[in-house]
This record gives sequence, C-alpha cells and structure tokens, in this order.
Amino acid sequence: GQNIDQPTEMTATEGAIVQINCTYQTSGFNGLFWYQQHAGEAPTFLSYNVLDGLEEKGRFSSFLSRSKGYSYLLLKELQMKDSASYLCAVRDHNQGGKLIFGQGTELSVKP
Amino acid sequence: DGGITQSPKYLFRKEGQNVTLSCEQNLNHDAMYWYRQDPGQGLRLIYYSQIVNDFQKGDIAEGYSVSREKKESFPLTVTSAQKNPTAFYLCASSLGGQGASYEQYFGPGTRLTVT
Repeated sequence: GQNIDQPTEMTATEGAIVQINCTYQTSGFNGLFWYQQHAGEAPTFLSYNVLDGLEEKGRFSSFLSRSKGYSYLLLKELQMKDSASYLCAVRDHNQGGKLIFGQGTELSVKP
Repeated sequence: DGGITQSPKYLFRKEGQNVTLSCEQNLNHDAMYWYRQDPGQGLRLIYYSQIVNDFQKGDIAEGYSVSREKKESFPLTVTSAQKNPTAFYLCASSLGGQGASYEQYFGPGTRLTVT
C-alpha cells in the first residue's frame, strides 16, 4: 500500500527558515510534489522532485532521497503570507500515475 | 487566459437530493481529477479521467458519478447514496495522467453543505 506522513502543524518566526518533512511508502514511486494551500483556496504547485537531490526555486527548496522515502520542503526568509498548509504528494506509476496526498502541514508564521 | 474553473463556490442542498458540481478547463489538458478535502485530512481522489469518454474510480468513488463527454469538462454528481457529502471539492487537470513531471492544476473549489 502507500502511506505519506507529514507533521500536522508547525510554527515559525518571520524571517526565519523552516523545514517541513515528508516520509512516504509507495510501491511505484514516480515523483514527489509539494503544494501550498491557503485556507479555503486551491492548492498551488511549488516544486517537483523525481531524482535524489535538492531543487531550488527562490525562497523555496525541496529535497528528495528515494532510498529513504524522504523529502523536505525548505522555506527561507519566512514571510507572514507563507502561513498556509503545505501538501506533500507522491505519484505512483502502479496506480495509473495518480497523486497520493499527505494530510498537509499547517504552518503558522508569527511576527 | 487559461485556467480551470469550478462553480458555484458555495452550494447548499437538502439531504436526499443529487447535486452536480461543474469543472471546466481551457488548458487543453488530457487528464482531469476530482478530490474531496475534509478538515485535517489530505486530498482524497474520487474519480479521474485520462481521456475523453473514459474515467476510473479513485479511492472514495462510492456515492459519486462523473462523465467526460468533452475534453474541457468533467462534472461530478454527488448522489443521495453518499453518506457524508458535506466537504470541500476540488477539481484538477494535468497534461497527462502518467507523465513524468506533469503537475496538477487545481480549480478554486466548491464547498458543498448538505443538511
């Protein structure tokens, strides 16, 4: 089967760095996505990893280790607008390429 | 400009009534998806379609039905058989269902309340 775990909630301070972890177990791993979702809104795409290593995109970076079934999303220079839910999702080619989502991590950025 | 739309944003229905949620995209995407989101839970896949006139059940298809008569449209019907229909429903689309790096684009969602 498949299982994706993320912390339920995290708190960080404006201007700081925060790392949101995601661990997964899936039979046919074919990529990992991170999405940001503000309350009551649609998720928006942040990053994609399919090979091991770090992908950097501005203030956001995402890391993947396929052997460990582990990813993290790193947010630097936190801003108040970064307060949102962050969703980790794994694509499984044994399931028709569907995305399997974790429960999301609710990040609160404090002044 | 291109995008994916869902309407209405808020929908209220009485128990026992069927209700259809619309989803339209003009991104020329082949694949479309319906998810349900409940408080404190991740997105759960209801149905998906990788090509016109074809669709597959997701993880929680019971009590729902879909159609894919046009590439642009993928309406979801919540039937009276769905035991807990009150939820936030999200529609998404992507270039291909099994592509290596095709992210899914989400619509703004429909919040359905059934009383």
